[in-house]
Amino acid sequence: DTAVSQTPKYLVTQMGNDKSIKCEQNLGHDTMYWYKQDSKKFLKIMFSYNNKELIINETVPNRFSPKSPDKAHLNLHINSLELGDSAVYFCASSHRMTDAYEQYFGPGTRLTVT
Amino acid sequence: GQNIDQPTEMTATEGAIVQINCTYQTSGFNGLFWYQQHAGEAPTFLSYNVLDGLEEKGRFSSFLSRSKGYSYLLLKELQMKDSASYLCAVRATNTGNQFYFGTGTSLTVIP
Repeated sequence: DTAVSQTPKYLVTQMGNDKSIKCEQNLGHDTMYWYKQDSKKFLKIMFSYNNKELIINETVPNRFSPKSPDKAHLNLHINSLELGDSAVYFCASSHRMTDAYEQYFGPGTRLTVT
Repeated sequence: GQNIDQPTEMTATEGAIVQINCTYQTSGFNGLFWYQQHAGEAPTFLSYNVLDGLEEKGRFSSFLSRSKGYSYLLLKELQMKDSASYLCAVRATNTGNQFYFGTGTSLTVIP
């Protein structure tokens, strides 16, 4: 069974479009995250969600918006896509924000904006 | 902010031992984590340290010195499959226990 899953795995779209990436975890974790990994392989935190509430919102453009319908899901919506949004986006989950628990990552979504 | 430094690339021989260093500067330190990432795949958790000292897990060990802001990952009996990127990450309480990753060390194991 997949612990953290993301769909789609690949996403190719044109500038200006709006797209969504879905993430689901079946680990019973209460915190979920979105990361962006650029072409230089640098993994940067974008959002964290704990019990359906946004805890930290890093300085990402407001074109990006996380949506969490329940504790097991954290979807990422991106409006007005730009070339610089091309990257691999990883979803992750962990037990609690306050304890030093490790994160489990999804397989990633490779977004290409043309 | 968080500042995490790792060497960009390393090469080691199959069967040997390699040490990957990580230095960090952060406020509200709450753990240092090591992840392995093969090309085209997701990062997978290897180990973490919250207190000073050495944590051993099979062929992998991780060391932490909080006073020096320093950690290393030690890989023993290297295998070809260990060729991957190794990411150092720090968790910081001053920013809501977020994880901050270094740029990763690309390790190539040669025969």
